[in-house]
Amino acid sequence: NAGVTQTPKFRVLKTGQSMTLLCAQDMNHEYMYWYRQDPGMGLRLIHYSVGEGTTAKGEVPDGYNVSRLKKQNFLLGLESAAPSQTSVYFCASSYIGEQYFGPGTRLTVT
Amino acid sequence: SQQGEEDPQALSIQEGENATMNCSYKTSINNLQWYRQNSGRGLVHLILIRSNEREKHSGRLRVTLDTSKKSSSLLITASRAADTASYFCATDAGSAAGNKLTFGGGTRVLVKP
Repeated sequence: NAGVTQTPKFRVLKTGQSMTLLCAQDMNHEYMYWYRQDPGMGLRLIHYSVGEGTTAKGEVPDGYNVSRLKKQNFLLGLESAAPSQTSVYFCASSYIGEQYFGPGTRLTVT
Repeated sequence: SQQGEEDPQALSIQEGENATMNCSYKTSINNLQWYRQNSGRGLVHLILIRSNEREKHSGRLRVTLDTSKKSSSLLITASRAADTASYFCATDAGSAAGNKLTFGGGTRVLVKP
């Protein structure tokens, strides 16, 4: 099992550009999450999903959109990137209890 | 805002010593979890303690939970250089809240050989 995978691993965007981060899990988990981690800090929840076709806002949702069209995939979109969105983005999935994390996507917005 | 506050923010110890870190939180929880993050990597789950449990062990890890004080501690015994990492506590409010985790700021642990 690959667990949780994230694509891409690194990306540099210019202000105003858009992009989509892809998260995939092969554990048949219902719950999926997107977090961001800024230097020296813990993770903050952006959006999450409790099942296929459902999404909900987390702590810091502004500037991001998500979609969960298939149970195994959770997409995070930035419509118009801003320098404040420079961060490391982590996806996670869970059945109940512990969460399984992907390796992260390092995004720089210039 | 983050639910958990971790103390200390950084910890430096010699190999073989014990490492203790603490986590305080603000609201009621279903369970509390501890994660490890090696530099530049994703988080790895270490241990989960439910709100009706007071202590839990897993290998060299010992976790305590005091819901009356809204606090938890993680003890790593006989530390090794490989334990060098950041450690995060995370609180889970339960399935009604989507099993969302709220993370603390983390404790950076350096184990010197």
